[in-house]
Amino acid sequence: QKEVEQNSGPLSVPEGAIASLNCTYSDRGSQSFFWYRQYSGKSPELIMFIYSNGDKEDGRFTAQLNKASQYVSLLIRDSQPSDSATYLCAVTQGAQKLVFGQGTRLTINP
Amino acid sequence: KAGVTQTPRYLIKTRGQQVTLSCSPISGHRSVSWYQQTPGQGLQFLFEYFSETQRNKGNFPGRFSGRQFSNSRSEMNVSTLELGDSALYLCASSLQSGGLNTIYFGEGSWLTVV
Repeated sequence: QKEVEQNSGPLSVPEGAIASLNCTYSDRGSQSFFWYRQYSGKSPELIMFIYSNGDKEDGRFTAQLNKASQYVSLLIRDSQPSDSATYLCAVTQGAQKLVFGQGTRLTINP
Repeated sequence: KAGVTQTPRYLIKTRGQQVTLSCSPISGHRSVSWYQQTPGQGLQFLFEYFSETQRNKGNFPGRFSGRQFSNSRSEMNVSTLELGDSALYLCASSLQSGGLNTIYFGEGSWLTVV
């Protein structure tokens, strides 16, 4: 079992709809959870982080964490073509080590 | 506030050579970590430094090494380059080692080994 698993996609969503990205992790000791967005040829850009169970909202983005189920998700409301990118879920293993999923490629169709 | 700065951005090396990559963290950040990104393996952790000490190391051969200076700037070195070392090398910084920290990436150094 991979430490962090994501559906590799591609995930295709019409413009204006909600995009839902999912991630599961295996290490119950993980404390911090991150979502990064990566455009082709660019480095990962932090878009959300969450530490506590529940939801965290930031603009059009909502991160959801369920530690009991070892599940973290990212919702993107009112999806825009500029949201088309690869989304990387990352989980801390120890204080500063991030373990990444393989990423989900998201395409927003105008 | 300046972000994480990595140099050089792009470089081409020949098999057998060595390379040194540099990273300047966000001002005030004391933890620097390095990652390798390849299409096949994705993003993988190399090592992390805090206050000039390596705190954590990933599963990479000894050809990969790093260090951190007193001003928190960091370098990583890869010796005896192999074709498989071609990758995007990313530096990340955070405020401290331990506790809950937000981790930010630089723009990366693209290494091509020919």
